[in-house]
Amino acid sequence: DVKVTQSSRYLVKRTGEKVFLECVQDMDHENMFWYRQDPGLGLRLIYFSYDVKMKEKGDIPEGYSVSREKKERFSLILESASTNQTSMYLCASSRWGGNQPQHFGDGTRLSIL
Amino acid sequence: GDSVTQMEGPVTLSEEAFLTINCTYTATGYPSLFWYVQYPGEGLQLLLKATKADDKGSNKGFEATYRKETTSFHLEKGSVQVSDSAVYFCALSENTGNQFYFGTGTSLTVIP
Repeated sequence: DVKVTQSSRYLVKRTGEKVFLECVQDMDHENMFWYRQDPGLGLRLIYFSYDVKMKEKGDIPEGYSVSREKKERFSLILESASTNQTSMYLCASSRWGGNQPQHFGDGTRLSIL
Repeated sequence: GDSVTQMEGPVTLSEEAFLTINCTYTATGYPSLFWYVQYPGEGLQLLLKATKADDKGSNKGFEATYRKETTSFHLEKGSVQVSDSAVYFCALSENTGNQFYFGTGTSLTVIP
């Protein structure tokens, strides 16, 4: 089975801090994705990556950046955390190709105080 | 652009009731369609998928049929259980791309 592991289930940080969310997958997937999930808004794509050192903006990239130095690891960075970034963050991975399902981690619930 | 619309929730059913969650889509090409389930405190899990018109995906008693003529992929289950309480997401992915388009999710609560 595919395993997507997010480094923290719960995280509390302060406004202005630089925050790192880590995601690792063990199935050699080409694609990796970061979403945020908010009540009533569903999943919104922040960034995705098709390959090492490659990144593409999703629908809501403002205030975020990403890093993919190794194929199995995709990091989401909040450069200067703000309270409106309090949310559930979900990482996913998939094989290259349009009919490939995405596989999700358990999520990180991030609170910015 | 591509999009997915699913029925508003929350949905509350008694155990053993019949479930339908409606999902319709808009796509420019020939998408694959998916249903995901999210149990409380967890990430999304793939429930079932269909990759072409008239395909039926099924898993754990749930099923959905890819209807190109009505651009729909409704989720059904004949007899729900308390353990089916979760949020259900419909999604599509174009066969020429790698992005997913998710619906906003439908919350289901099954009461004994």
